[in-house]
Amino acid sequence: NAGVTQTPKFQVLKTGQSMTLQCAQDMNHNSMYWYRQDPGMGLRLIYYSASEGTTDKGEVPNGYNVSRLNKREFSLRLESAAPSQTSVYFCASSEVGGGPVGWETQYFGPGTRLLVL
Amino acid sequence: AQSVTQLGSHVSVSEGALVLLRCNYSSSVPPYLFWYVQYPNQGLQLLLKYTSAATLVKGINGFEAEFKKSETSFHLTKPSAHMSDAAEYFCAVSDGGNTGKLIFGQGTTLQVKP
Repeated sequence: NAGVTQTPKFQVLKTGQSMTLQCAQDMNHNSMYWYRQDPGMGLRLIYYSASEGTTDKGEVPNGYNVSRLNKREFSLRLESAAPSQTSVYFCASSEVGGGPVGWETQYFGPGTRLLVL
Repeated sequence: AQSVTQLGSHVSVSEGALVLLRCNYSSSVPPYLFWYVQYPNQGLQLLLKYTSAATLVKGINGFEAEFKKSETSFHLTKPSAHMSDAAEYFCAVSDGGNTGKLIFGQGTTLQVKP
């Protein structure tokens, strides 16, 4: 049971390049999330997917797109990278659905460190 | 709208001393509150969470937190710090909806001195 896995672990891009961050979970969770972590700002939600086939914007969606490929996988794409997107990106999943919600634990991947030059 | 404020971006304690990390929240609905820990170069993992069952919540590694509605606080404590507790700690509140979204505080880095 690997939990939440993310690839790559580290990436360097030039301004304007594109890339896709991959995330997969093996816990059969319905919900998945993408966050970015910047010093002094905590974690900010980029996009989330409440269930397979649905995606919604979070707090900071500009410059990003997502795909919920299936129940296991949730990818984040940067179409034209900018230096402001230099950050650490975390994917998370949780079991939400089927009843009262809000207290479900989110399980996090190890993160992807992205540097945009 | 829900929000979380963590007081103090850095806290330094001596090994064996009390750890106190402060978190205040704002919520328009009864909140669900969480503390997560992040060790260097790792993802976040859950320390404990408040789900209204009990105001004093015990978590892993000897940590606990008390929900105080009158003070809108959910401070994290540990009686005796270990060197292994050095990490970044995040307080979070559920967004009040049905999607499981969390609103995170800015984080507090705990340094433990020998």
